[in-house]
Amino acid sequence: DGGITQSPKYLFRKEGQNVTLSCEQNLNHDAMYWYRQDPGQGLRLIYYSQIVNDFQKGDIAEGYSVSREKKESFPLTVTSAQKNPTAFYLCASSLLGANTGELFFGEGSRLTVL
Amino acid sequence: QQQVKQSPQSLIVQKGGISIINCAYENTAFDYFPWYQQFPGKGPALLIAIRPDVSEKKEGRFTISFNKSAKQFSLHIMDSQPGDSATYFCAASRQAGTALIFGKGTTLSVSS
Repeated sequence: DGGITQSPKYLFRKEGQNVTLSCEQNLNHDAMYWYRQDPGQGLRLIYYSQIVNDFQKGDIAEGYSVSREKKESFPLTVTSAQKNPTAFYLCASSLLGANTGELFFGEGSRLTVL
Repeated sequence: QQQVKQSPQSLIVQKGGISIINCAYENTAFDYFPWYQQFPGKGPALLIAIRPDVSEKKEGRFTISFNKSAKQFSLHIMDSQPGDSATYFCAASRQAGTALIFGKGTTLSVSS
């Protein structure tokens, strides 16, 4: 089945620890995105990448880092510099220039900082 | 600066009624306006989308109305069903397939 796989689904972290969230897609999409979702805040863009080895900051990139070494993979690291990391993280992908413009989302990773 | 403003935050509709969610945007460069539906614990999924060259798009019970001069667009759900109970997000982007800017969401509850 084609789609986006995020792991882990649930993650607990102690303050001061870095954690990496995995996102893999087998849709052959060019672009990949990371969004953060908080109650009542909608989805806010963290980082996005339109091509391998290149990525751009979104609206709330501080305290996060990403890499895009392969077209299929776009991992997100939540660093200890992120002040309030507890949230639901969503990865998405899309075809660039596609007529439909649809972003396909994974099922999310819920991070809780203890 | 909130580029896409969505209202209401929550909505309760009786089964068979019409659900209406509104969004307003600021950036006139936006040219793609989708609506996403999200169920608890799941990722959002595209429901319906429109481009500014048309004023209305209908897919089954779901309709987008678009007012370019007012920079507003809305989602209408006709004959609302309990299975429509979910969170709905409007969004906008400058080009289809690029990063979307989302509204804050509307939680819809359809009572039976």
